[in-house]
Amino acid sequence: DTAVSQTPKYLVTQMGNDKSIKCEQNLGHDTMYWYKQDSKKFLKIMFSYNNKELIINETVPNRFSPKSPDKAHLNLHINSLELGDSAVYFCASSRQGSNYGYTFGSGTRLTVV
Amino acid sequence: SQELEQSPQSLIVQEGKNLTINCTSSKTLYGLYWYKQKYGEGLIFLMMLQKGGEEKSHEKITAKLDEKKQQSSLHITASQPSHAGIYLCGADNYGQNFVFGPGTRLSVLP
Repeated sequence: DTAVSQTPKYLVTQMGNDKSIKCEQNLGHDTMYWYKQDSKKFLKIMFSYNNKELIINETVPNRFSPKSPDKAHLNLHINSLELGDSAVYFCASSRQGSNYGYTFGSGTRLTVV
Repeated sequence: SQELEQSPQSLIVQEGKNLTINCTSSKTLYGLYWYKQKYGEGLIFLMMLQKGGEEKSHEKITAKLDEKKQQSSLHITASQPSHAGIYLCGADNYGQNFVFGPGTRLSVLP
């Protein structure tokens, strides 16, 4: 069973479109994250979220919004996609307040054309 | 698909001690990346290794990639409390995907 699963794995879309990436974890973790990985493999945290608190990296454009229907899901919605949004997006989860390890999803490669 | 293993899972050392964290791949690595995670701060990129036998250092942290490009070690000299956190290795699977190891939790006791 996949612990953290993201869908889709690949997403090609045109500028200006709105898209969502889904993330689900079956580990019982209560904190989930979204990271953006650039072409140099630098990972930038976008959001961390548990059922009490949403922490947003203030450098993330407000076109990006996390949506969490329940503890096991944290979806990433992107409005008005731009070319610069092309990247690999990783979802991860951990226990709250954690000095424990993270579990990462396999990534979603987003290409905006 | 490529998998990464890390050892140890967790490590507690006294301040001033040296330590090593290992990352092993099931396949030959194209690029091996080391990150450090501090809670609430996301993942911080430390180093990238690409060539067999390559070694890089940054301050008191040295990372090596073996000649076969299947194993990497991260060595911290004279550890400090500021080194505490979770260290993850990541690997570029020839552009197909990117995978992470499970992480090593390091605690440094003052």
